[in-house]
Amino acid sequence: SQKIEQNSEALNIQEGKTATLTCNYTNYSPAYLQWYRQDPGRGPVFLLLIRENEKEKRKERLKVTFDTTLKQSLFHITASQPADSATYLCALDTGGGNKLTFGTGTQLKVEL
Amino acid sequence: EAGVAQSPRYKIIEKRQSVAFWCNPISGHATLYWYQQILGQGPKLLIQFQNNGVVDDSQLPKDRFSAERLKGVDSTLKIQPAKLEDSAVYLCASSLVGRELFFGEGSRLTVL
Repeated sequence: SQKIEQNSEALNIQEGKTATLTCNYTNYSPAYLQWYRQDPGRGPVFLLLIRENEKEKRKERLKVTFDTTLKQSLFHITASQPADSATYLCALDTGGGNKLTFGTGTQLKVEL
Repeated sequence: EAGVAQSPRYKIIEKRQSVAFWCNPISGHATLYWYQQILGQGPKLLIQFQNNGVVDDSQLPKDRFSAERLKGVDSTLKIQPAKLEDSAVYLCASSLVGRELFFGEGSRLTVL
């Protein structure tokens, strides 16, 4: 069956450390993968898009990797801050025509 | 630039009643999505429109849910009759083809 899995347990890290979130998928061959941030009571907000032929993408303190062999994407936040605390969702292109299927999300909490 | 507008933000109804949610996407965005997000889960795609045509509605419970996109712009999602398990946040999003999604703030439905 097709699955998109993210760590269901919340990730707690100290301010200034690097947070690493994982997105694993099975039985999909996405052309691209996206990461979103969602704050409580709000809609998801787009962060980064990475295509199947790209290994890594960076934006300020954010870095995403995409390994189509392992069927895995890693999302890194360097020098994390309490303001980075949120739920992070990965989303895969799963049908062409920009059909996006979301993972379950991982809650990140950055502590002082 | 105005974002995706949704209304109402909150709705409480009794089971077996009906409810309708409205979405106005970002101007010029051909693709419009309705997602259902149950507490603690990732968004689940209900229906995707390209202009005013349906691209994917494979996960829409068609016996009780219906959606339309008027003139390729605004969209309405209706539930009739509602069940307890329909309690969720209904997220509308829009995008240009092959690009990131822009989400509204969502409509939170509570079915009693």
